[in-house]
Amino acid sequence: GNSVTQMEGPVTLSEEAFLTINCTYTATGYPSLFWYVQYPGEGLQLLLKATKADDKGSNKGFEATYRKETTSFHLEKGSVQVSDSAVYFCALSDGYGSGNTGKLIFGQGTTLQVKP
Amino acid sequence: DADVTQTPRNRITKTGKRIMLECSQTKGHDRMYWYRQDPGLGLRLIYYSFDVKDINKGEISDGYSVSRQAQAKFSLSLESAIPNQTAFYFCATSNTGNTGELFFGEGSRLTVL
Repeated sequence: GNSVTQMEGPVTLSEEAFLTINCTYTATGYPSLFWYVQYPGEGLQLLLKATKADDKGSNKGFEATYRKETTSFHLEKGSVQVSDSAVYFCALSDGYGSGNTGKLIFGQGTTLQVKP
Repeated sequence: DADVTQTPRNRITKTGKRIMLECSQTKGHDRMYWYRQDPGLGLRLIYYSFDVKDINKGEISDGYSVSRQAQAKFSLSLESAIPNQTAFYFCATSNTGNTGELFFGEGSRLTVL
């Protein structure tokens, strides 16, 4: 079945450091890929998404590229801030458009702590 | 006000008690979901509903039931709570035909003693 694997955390960085959180997936068909972020005490919110191979999702300085050949969707940011401290979840859906069920499969989450 | 609202936000109960978690949304979405979050396990799908008459089990539905009272309301029940159901529970919504983006509530923390 479909699955998502993320690098284990926690990840601790100093402010302005470069961030990479690895995410790989196993899926049949053509899933959409997502990164969600969960700030302390809050629900998950969409950070970025990509719906087909080679698409790059970007938001708030974060980027991730849908790599079908390596089945990866790594999250990167060039210069992290203290306010980026949160839990990051990689996820995949089972398709695109009216054919998808909207069910997401999540990775286990990676905690990021950024120190001043 | 939040577009997806969950009540209660925090609940402590005892083994064997019946618990209901409620979710309401003002986004006008037809699809609603209940997920459970456990540390180190990410989120796992309990139940989902595509409309009022369409309810489906997710990967961990045992011990849970749901009711879709209206397009905007989707409640999750634990008929007889047990300690390993201690977790965060999240309700989410989405729109038919989109790329699968979900909109989450702020979560309900449930502790079963």
